[in-house]
Amino acid sequence: AQSVTQPDIHITVSEGASLELRCNYSYGATPYLFWYVQSPGQGLQLLLKYFSGDTLVQGIKGFEAEFKRSQSSFNLRKPSVHWSDAAEYFCAVGAGSSASKIIFGSGTRLSIRP
Amino acid sequence: GAGVSQSPRYKVAKRGQDVALRCDPISGHVSLFWYQQALGQGPEFLTYFQNEAQLDKSGLPSDRFFAERPEGSVSTLKIQRTQQEDSAVYLCASRTGGAGDTEAFFGQGTRLTVV
Repeated sequence: AQSVTQPDIHITVSEGASLELRCNYSYGATPYLFWYVQSPGQGLQLLLKYFSGDTLVQGIKGFEAEFKRSQSSFNLRKPSVHWSDAAEYFCAVGAGSSASKIIFGSGTRLSIRP
Repeated sequence: GAGVSQSPRYKVAKRGQDVALRCDPISGHVSLFWYQQALGQGPEFLTYFQNEAQLDKSGLPSDRFFAERPEGSVSTLKIQRTQQEDSAVYLCASRTGGAGDTEAFFGQGTRLTVV
């Protein structure tokens, strides 16, 4: 069965520091992979997605993610975080044809230290 | 509006009451999804429509949950005889449904509290 694991429940980084959020997935075929961000009281916003091609994917707000098939990972990175990046981050895998079912991880809450 | 709209934003229901949650997808979007997000958890898939056809309802937790999209646009998620464990945020998302399209746009959700 498809699943997504985000091992870090909560991460705190200093403003300006680099960030890496971990994500591991379980899926039999080549997956569609996503990172979403959810700010308090806001809907989920897509940061980036991968389903083929270059394994390093660029997204909005300066985020990037790297697909590593050998490690079943899709970690999210940002070289320098801003206070406005504080939010909940969800990794997700799309299952079925054209990702008709999106399966989310349990999320990582990011706090920014001034 | 330009985005996915859900109403009401907040709903308090007494245990045993029936509730109906509405989703207005982005105009022209063929695909529509419902998710349930419990506090501190990631969204859990409930059901998926393509136009008016409900193609996947494998995530509906019980037969008390029912979703419809009769004209292929607005969708309603109905929960009968609500229980406390139904308390969650219910998210709706829509997608164009075109070939290769995978980006789903989410609404802000309806927070349901069952007391």
